[in-house]
Amino acid sequence: GDSVTQMEGPVTLSEEAFLTINCTYTATGYPSLFWYVQYPGEGLQLLLKATKADDKGSNKGFEATYRKETTSFHLEKGSVQVSDSAVYFCALRVTWAAGNKLTFGGGTRVLVKP
Amino acid sequence: NAGVTQTPKFQVLKTGQSMTLQCAQDMNHNSMYWYRQDPGMGLRLIYYSASEGTTDKGEVPNGYNVSRLNKREFSLRLESAAPSQTSVYFCASSENLGGYRGQETQYFGPGTRLLVL
Repeated sequence: GDSVTQMEGPVTLSEEAFLTINCTYTATGYPSLFWYVQYPGEGLQLLLKATKADDKGSNKGFEATYRKETTSFHLEKGSVQVSDSAVYFCALRVTWAAGNKLTFGGGTRVLVKP
Repeated sequence: NAGVTQTPKFQVLKTGQSMTLQCAQDMNHNSMYWYRQDPGMGLRLIYYSASEGTTDKGEVPNGYNVSRLNKREFSLRLESAAPSQTSVYFCASSENLGGYRGQETQYFGPGTRLLVL
């Protein structure tokens, strides 16, 4: 079945540090890939997405490239801020799947210290 | 637009009690979903409704029932709550573009935190 594996946290960084969160996947079809972010006490928000191989999603200084050869979608940001402290979820959806169901990774908590 | 709203925000139940979690969206979306979030396990799909009048089981449906009341509302019911159902529950919706499935964004509500004693 489809699955998503992402690095366990928590990841603790200083402000302006470089952030990478690894995400790899297995899928039976041709997935679209997503990163969602959950700020404390809130629901999930879409951060970025990529729908086919070699696509790069970007938003708010975050980037992720859909790598079909390595089945990966790693999230990166060059200079984090305290406001980036949140839980980040990698997810996939196989394009033919009925109901557009998302499969999530376990989440990575990121804490940015001033 | 309020987006996706959920009630209640927090609930404590005793084992065996029943309750219904409410969800509504004002984006005219066709598809709605219920997930549960447990530490280290991400979100797991409980039930979903691809369109008004249809519901289907997700990954972890046991112990739950759902009702797609109309296009806006999708409720989740626990008939006899168990401690294993202690979790945070999220409702989500998406437009469902038919042939473009897989590319749609799901929009999430703020969640309901449920504690079953």
